[in-house]
Amino acid sequence: GESVGLHLPTLSVQEGDNSIINCAYSNSASDYFIWYKQESGKGPQFIIDIRSNMDKRQGQRVTVLLNKTVKHLSLQIAATQPGDSAVYFCAEKFQGGKLIFGQGTELSVKP
Amino acid sequence: NAGVMQNPRHLVRRRGQEARLRCSPMKGHSHVYWYRQLPEEGLKFMVYLQKENIIDESGMPKERFSAEFPKEGPSILRIQQVVRGDSAAYFCASSRDRGDINTGELFFGEGSRLTVL
Repeated sequence: GESVGLHLPTLSVQEGDNSIINCAYSNSASDYFIWYKQESGKGPQFIIDIRSNMDKRQGQRVTVLLNKTVKHLSLQIAATQPGDSAVYFCAEKFQGGKLIFGQGTELSVKP
Repeated sequence: NAGVMQNPRHLVRRRGQEARLRCSPMKGHSHVYWYRQLPEEGLKFMVYLQKENIIDESGMPKERFSAEFPKEGPSILRIQQVVRGDSAAYFCASSRDRGDINTGELFFGEGSRLTVL
């Protein structure tokens, strides 16, 4: 069946360090993979997406890597800040716009 | 430029009552998606609607749940005869175009948190 899952439920990093959040997926039918950030009590916020024909995409302080061979997606956050503390979800987009979300990784940034 | 508006933000119902959750998409958006999030879990797709039409309801429970997106007014997610297991955060998202012809960016609301006593 379809599933998008995360390797680690929690990640704790020191402020200023780089963070890497990983995600494994099992269904290769999607054209898009997306990372969302969700702060406590709020809705998911789009961070970055990547097409399936790409293996890397960079944004501001964030980079998404896609390895289709092993069906693995990662989000790298450079110089992690306290404001980056949140739960991060990877999601796979299917035809019609439906998103299948992973369970989430909680990122905690220590000052 | 208001984002996706959901209300109520918090709703408490007793078992057997009805819950109605409303979602006003972003201006110019005609595609609405509803997701449910249980505590400590990811969001689960429920239903995708375009004005006056249900496009994909593959994630909707077969009983007690219904959704509509009328020509005028907000989208409504209705839960009849609520049970404790319905307690969750319900998120609405909207997009301007069909979700598969643009990027992955859906705009989410802040959610409606339903508690069933």
